[in-house]
Amino acid sequence: DVKVTQSSRYLVKRTGEKVFLECVQDMDHENMFWYRQDPGLGLRLIYFSYDVKMKEKGDIPEGYSVSREKKERFSLILESASTNQTSMYLCASNPDRASSYEQYFGPGTRLTVT
Amino acid sequence: GQNIDQPTEMTATEGAIVQINCTYQTSGFNGLFWYQQHAGEAPTFLSYNVLDGLEEKGRFSSFLSRSKGYSYLLLKELQMKDSASYLCAVYDSNYQLIWGAGTKLIIKP
Repeated sequence: DVKVTQSSRYLVKRTGEKVFLECVQDMDHENMFWYRQDPGLGLRLIYFSYDVKMKEKGDIPEGYSVSREKKERFSLILESASTNQTSMYLCASNPDRASSYEQYFGPGTRLTVT
Repeated sequence: GQNIDQPTEMTATEGAIVQINCTYQTSGFNGLFWYQQHAGEAPTFLSYNVLDGLEEKGRFSSFLSRSKGYSYLLLKELQMKDSASYLCAVYDSNYQLIWGAGTKLIIKP
């Protein structure tokens, strides 16, 4: 059973704070993804990674960075949190790049920036 | 640009059948997914179509027409637990997943 876990379900941070969101998958997947989900907008890709120490920008990378030091762990970093980064953050993984595999999602972190 | 369109919200009655449509315009096509997402939870995989036609999986079926850029998800014998959002997503030519905004399905007794 594929399992993707995220470090927090709910998080409240202040404007300007540095925020770390952690994601771990236990199925030896190559690919990992960070999305944010806002009402009416669907899932938007922030960053993704196809291998350890590799990262690629998604559609909305501004204000975010990522780290993938180990295959199973993919971290999203908000360098200086702002109120417009209040959102649901979803991590996902799947086995390899050019495949028909679905993405498996973690439970999500609802981040509020005040 | 790349775009996926789905109705924002639909209402149906318990026990009935509902069809949720999805149209897409993407740069290339490498498959289409349907996911279910209950409020406050993560999306979970329902179905995958890469060839034209109907894929049936229990009460849920998904149809694809690549020439029309069109898919639908058909839910039969609706149950209250089917109240959720249904997300359509397409793999483009670079295997990047493009997501629709989702359709919120409300089931009434």
